[in-house]
Amino acid sequence: DPKIIQKPKYLVAVTGSEKILICEQYLGHNAMYWYRQSAKKPLEFMFSYSYQKLMDNQTASSRFQPQSSKKNHLDLQITALKPDDSATYFCASSQHWGDEQYFGPGTRLTVL
Amino acid sequence: TQTVSQSDAHVTVFEGDSVELRCNYSYGGSIYLSWYIQHHGRGLQFLLKYYSGNPVVQGVNGFEAEFSKSDSSFHLRKASVHWSDSAVYFCAVSAYNNAGAKLTFGGGTRLTVRP
Repeated sequence: DPKIIQKPKYLVAVTGSEKILICEQYLGHNAMYWYRQSAKKPLEFMFSYSYQKLMDNQTASSRFQPQSSKKNHLDLQITALKPDDSATYFCASSQHWGDEQYFGPGTRLTVL
Repeated sequence: TQTVSQSDAHVTVFEGDSVELRCNYSYGGSIYLSWYIQHHGRGLQFLLKYYSGNPVVQGVNGFEAEFSKSDSSFHLRKASVHWSDSAVYFCAVSAYNNAGAKLTFGGGTRLTVRP
């Protein structure tokens, strides 16, 4: 059974629209993260949360907003989508902040 | 600022060969280093990590890595590869303290194992 669920697996959006990427982990972990992987750049860290508190934000744009409604959820809202936002977005979690991280299968976002 | 360099973008070997995937890093403080594997179209799977003690660490599926402070390296090795080891391998570094938990990844090495 998958322990980190990301929904949807594939997502196509039009420029200027807004989407929410879902992440749920069932590992009992206390820290969650978002990373982005695109064809042009290596895997990039975006956010980290610990006990639902934002710990680190390395995303320059405020168009990316993480949302944590529960300890095991960390969704990613992206507004005013641009073609450059096209990438695979990975959610990860760790037992505690700083421990080894385990990754979900990713959501592949294409912005037309 | 931490950086990670994987000098080989592609490595091709035959099944049963040994392989070494190279990783060099730069960071001024205490760190921990890890390796991840990504099969095509999948998420990243954790292989192993190092932060202190024995510089040779064992991971899953027969992988091991050796830390060298003098060389700023953390190379991944496997004595005998299987076709299922074909994947992209990522080296990552993270600050080993409460100041940061973000993983900084190298560009990845695509390993192709030929039958």
